[in-house]
Amino acid sequence: DQQVKQNSPSLSVQEGRISILNCDYTNSMFDYFLWYKKYPAEGPTFLISISSIKDKNEDGRFTVFLNKSAKHLSLHIVPSQPGDSAVYFCAARSKTGTASKLTFGTGTRLQVTL
Amino acid sequence: GAGVSQTPSNKVTEKGKYVELRCDPISGHTALYWYRQSLGQGPEFLIYFQGTGAADDSGLPNDRFFAVRPEGSVSTLKIQRTERGDSAVYLCASSPFSAGGTGELFFGEGSRLTVL
Repeated sequence: DQQVKQNSPSLSVQEGRISILNCDYTNSMFDYFLWYKKYPAEGPTFLISISSIKDKNEDGRFTVFLNKSAKHLSLHIVPSQPGDSAVYFCAARSKTGTASKLTFGTGTRLQVTL
Repeated sequence: GAGVSQTPSNKVTEKGKYVELRCDPISGHTALYWYRQSLGQGPEFLIYFQGTGAADDSGLPNDRFFAVRPEGSVSTLKIQRTERGDSAVYLCASSPFSAGGTGELFFGEGSRLTVL
């Protein structure tokens, strides 16, 4: 039962264009959504997050949009740069009492070409 | 150190052997997590510590897997009678928060386990 899904395993975008990465979820109890970026042989690094009570959060070139009714979020990168080439994971937070944990999607590999 | 430190970075072992993976979280972080990432998959939750106690171990796949954090800092993930299916990258993460904050976790570089 995959609660967080990234249906596109890979995406190729030209430098300077917009990259749009998508994520769907099934659990309406998730209260935060996060995007992580991962380079080979490194651990995932946090990129941007959004609370479930918001519909947009922006940080520089990165914007995350949340559509709660559709249980869908997306990450927009504008303009895309070659250094953005990495695997991007969508994650969702759930809380049980004092404990919280992240559930990750399977990732989308972004390739930004020159 | 400044970040989450995991040792060893690579471990090759034979089927049936015992393995220990170590995680040194960011100083002052009370929450510590172990995740496992198999090829082509996202990180999969294993266990979460708040302080010294395991607050949620629902992700441990079976009783061959065990983790400890005796002094509320360094944690060790222990795998008994390893199987080839245990081959994966084991990621440790820490956080200054428990259920508060944005849920952001700080990950180490992982320990790649290969069971032959």
